[in-house]
Amino acid sequence: KAGVTQTPRYLIKTRGQQVTLSCSPISGHRSVSWYQQTPGQGLQFLFEYFSETQRNKGNFPGRFSGRQFSNSRSEMNVSTLELGDSALYLCASSFRDANYGYTFGSGTRLTVV
Amino acid sequence: GQQVMQIPQYQHVQEGEDFTTYCNSSTTLSNIQWYKQRPGGHPVFLIQLVKSGEVKKQKRLTFQFGEAKKNSSLHITATQTTDVGTYFCAGPRGNNNDMRFGAGTRLTVKP
Repeated sequence: KAGVTQTPRYLIKTRGQQVTLSCSPISGHRSVSWYQQTPGQGLQFLFEYFSETQRNKGNFPGRFSGRQFSNSRSEMNVSTLELGDSALYLCASSFRDANYGYTFGSGTRLTVV
Repeated sequence: GQQVMQIPQYQHVQEGEDFTTYCNSSTTLSNIQWYKQRPGGHPVFLIQLVKSGEVKKQKRLTFQFGEAKKNSSLHITATQTTDVGTYFCAGPRGNNNDMRFGAGTRLTVKP
C-alpha cells in the first residue's frame, strides 16, 4: 500500500513569508500528526488531527496552524516565517492514535533565508 | 512535564561489535516505541513494547521494557554497516495522543 506522501520535499522561503505543507496519510489512517525536527531540538510535536478536528497541540506559537480534510489529508501552515523555522517537517500517519505507532512521510525540508 | 531521556547521544563502533541505547522516562509509560532514522531519511517504526518486563527480538535487535515501565533499551548484536542511523525511543505524552521522542542515539559503524 502507498506510504505517507508529503509535498513539497524541499522549500526555500524568505523571512516574513508564509508556507503551506501537505500530507496524505496511509489509506485508512485517520490520525495525522506533525513534527518539527531540528538538530538542536530533535523531534518536537506540533499538532495532531483526527476526523478533521485538532485533537492535540504542542507548544508552538500561533504562527503554526494546520487542518485536516474529509479524506484525511492534512496541511500545515506557517505564517510570518522566521529563520528559526528552518527544519525538517515530518507528517506521521497512524490508524487511530499514536499508540498504534507512526508511519512517517519523507518530510519537507524548509529553509528560511 | 514528561521527559524521555536517551543515552548515549553518539556511539561509534567497529563492525561486529555490539551496541546498546538506553531510554528513561520520568513517568510510567503505557507503551514505548522505537524508531530508526537513516541519514537523510525519516524515522521508521521498529517496534512497540507494552508489557512490564517485555522483551522482543527482531533478528539481531533486542528490545526490553523495564519492570517499572519507565525505561527501555535497544541492543544490537554484531553490528553491520546497515545498522547506521539514529535510533529514537518515544513514549506517550500523558493521556494525549502524541509521542514524546528522546533525543536519539546516533550510531556509526566502521567497516
